[in-house]
Amino acid sequence: NAGVMQNPRHLVRRRGQEARLRCSPMKGHSHVYWYRQLPEEGLKFMVYLQKENIIDESGMPKERFSAEFPKEGPSILRIQQVVRGDSAAYFCASSPPRVGDTQYFGPGTRLTVL
Amino acid sequence: GENVGLHLPTLSVQEGDNSIINCAYSNSASDYFIWYKQESGKGPQFIIDIRSNMDKRQGQRVTVLLNKTVKHLSLQIAATQPGDSAVYFCAENTVGSASKIIFGSGTRLSIRP
Repeated sequence: NAGVMQNPRHLVRRRGQEARLRCSPMKGHSHVYWYRQLPEEGLKFMVYLQKENIIDESGMPKERFSAEFPKEGPSILRIQQVVRGDSAAYFCASSPPRVGDTQYFGPGTRLTVL
Repeated sequence: GENVGLHLPTLSVQEGDNSIINCAYSNSASDYFIWYKQESGKGPQFIIDIRSNMDKRQGQRVTVLLNKTVKHLSLQIAATQPGDSAVYFCAENTVGSASKIIFGSGTRLSIRP
């Protein structure tokens, strides 16, 4: 029973490039969440998605960031024109369809912007 | 060992002793609380949760206590082991927003041999 999977685990980009982070939820989970974590800090909510729908994106920066969870395939967090301040660990979590159920986290993608 | 006050960043505990990690939350509307353990380089790992209609819940070697009056949450780890070394986060979920988990700043637990 595989857990939440994220890839790549480490991603290095130069300023101005695009970063694409992928997340495959646990089997049977239809809710996906993205969080960002800076060193020595807690996780900050970014966006909550269900299949083909963005439910809550209140934590997403207004520009350059977007997320999707298509009918088929993994959820994608996309960061355009990355800047150094985007360097962080990005975690994906998933939960079953029941509202308010526990979220289980993936291993994260560590993005470094040079 | 026990930490007091808000957001004490590091707790050092003798192996075999009990650990108590405290957390204060701010939103009185939160009705679901979770403790996560995060080891270096890994994602948060679910430990135990509690809903607001309870004040205590026990798991294997862990107990969570909830005091809604003072908006305080604690995690007790019995017979602390070296493998318990990690950062521990309390998290709360907001009523009406099943999506958004709000994480506390975390407490680093280190174990003395």
